[in-house]
Amino acid sequence: NAGVTQTPKFRVLKTGQSMTLLCAQDMNHEYMYWYRQDPGMGLRLIHYSVGEGTTAKGEVPDGYNVSRLKKQNFLLGLESAAPSQTSVYFCASSYLTGTSGVTSSYEQYFGPGTRLTVT
Amino acid sequence: AQKVTQAQTEISVVEKEDVTLDCVYETRDTTYYLFWYKQPPSGELVFLIRRNSFDEQNEISGRYSWNFQKSTSSFNFTITASQVVDSAVYFCALSDRDDKIIFGKGTRLHILP
Repeated sequence: NAGVTQTPKFRVLKTGQSMTLLCAQDMNHEYMYWYRQDPGMGLRLIHYSVGEGTTAKGEVPDGYNVSRLKKQNFLLGLESAAPSQTSVYFCASSYLTGTSGVTSSYEQYFGPGTRLTVT
Repeated sequence: AQKVTQAQTEISVVEKEDVTLDCVYETRDTTYYLFWYKQPPSGELVFLIRRNSFDEQNEISGRYSWNFQKSTSSFNFTITASQVVDSAVYFCALSDRDDKIIFGKGTRLHILP
């Protein structure tokens, strides 16, 4: 199993350009997430998905869009990149997260990260 | 609202010393899960432990141990006889009724040879 993979690993964009980050997982996980990591800020949730065809906003969703057309893929889009979006982006997946109505919540598996620089 | 606080931004200890990383959480739910992750200098995030709110037993795994205390809303992580390879950023995280996991800002641990 490849686990969680992210494409690309590095990217440099100019302000105003657009791009899509691809996350793929082969563990048949229902839940998928996009985080950004900035120095001193920890991991902040951008968007997440609890199943194919569903998406939801996280803590810092502005400037990003996502899609989950297939269960194994979760795409993060930047329509018009800004220097404030310079960051390391991590994708994660989980079998099940949250305790509402269920008795368990499982750990997330993370991809290797994408380092994005917007100039 | 969910919140995870790791008050120690950065810690440095000499190899073989014991070190404890603090984690304090907030949640209104009675059922929740707590996690610890490690991020070594290579950058990947590695899962260390998951603990549910109904299990307050301390856990030990080799040199690692975790102390969960609901009375103080804390889930602290201790490394015994630290090694240089333990140098990393460590994140504490919380999952409750929401479909997401909230992370603390992390503690950067330096183990000095």
